[in-house]
Amino acid sequence: SQKIEQNSEALNIQEGKTATLTCNYTNYSPAYLQWYRQDPGRGPVFLLLIRENEKEKRKERLKVTFDTTLKQSLFHITASQPADSATYLCALMTTDSWGKLQFGAGTQVVVTP
Amino acid sequence: ETGVTQSPTHLIKTRGQQVTLRCSSQSGHNTVSWYQQALGQGPQFIFQYYREEENGRGNFPPRFSGLQFPNYSSELNVNALELDDSALYLCASKLGTTNTGELFFGEGSRLTVL
Repeated sequence: SQKIEQNSEALNIQEGKTATLTCNYTNYSPAYLQWYRQDPGRGPVFLLLIRENEKEKRKERLKVTFDTTLKQSLFHITASQPADSATYLCALMTTDSWGKLQFGAGTQVVVTP
Repeated sequence: ETGVTQSPTHLIKTRGQQVTLRCSSQSGHNTVSWYQQALGQGPQFIFQYYREEENGRGNFPPRFSGLQFPNYSSELNVNALELDDSALYLCASKLGTTNTGELFFGEGSRLTVL
């Protein structure tokens, strides 16, 4: 069966450190992968998109890698700040389901001063 | 601010009732999709509308139905509500021509079924 797995345990990290989140998938051939941020009671907000033929993408303090051999994406927040505390969702889209994003359950990040 | 607005923000219904949720998409976005997010879970795709036609559906029963209007606003209707329908319902819009584009989500409608 198809699965998208993210760490269910919250990631507690000190301000200034790098937070690394994992997204593993099985039985998918994603055309691309997206990362979203979601604050409690709010809708997800788009952060980054990476295509299957790309290895790495960066945006300010954020970095995403995509390894289609390992079927894994890593999401890094460098120099983390308390304002980065939120739940981070990874989402896949495949070529046979354009428009339908498949989301993981998300990983909560808590950055303490 | 994503430019996607949803109403109502919160509502309480009882089992067996019907509910209509509304979404106004970002200006210029002709594709709207709806997602259901249960507590502690990721959003689950319900369906997508492009130029007033449904063009993709997830694993939801027919009692979940939708509409898209000429101005690209949208409705989600759920009939015969069940307790498990309690969730945050998210509307998202994008430009239909960009299959790889980001989704712009609204803040959601929190539905509680008693």
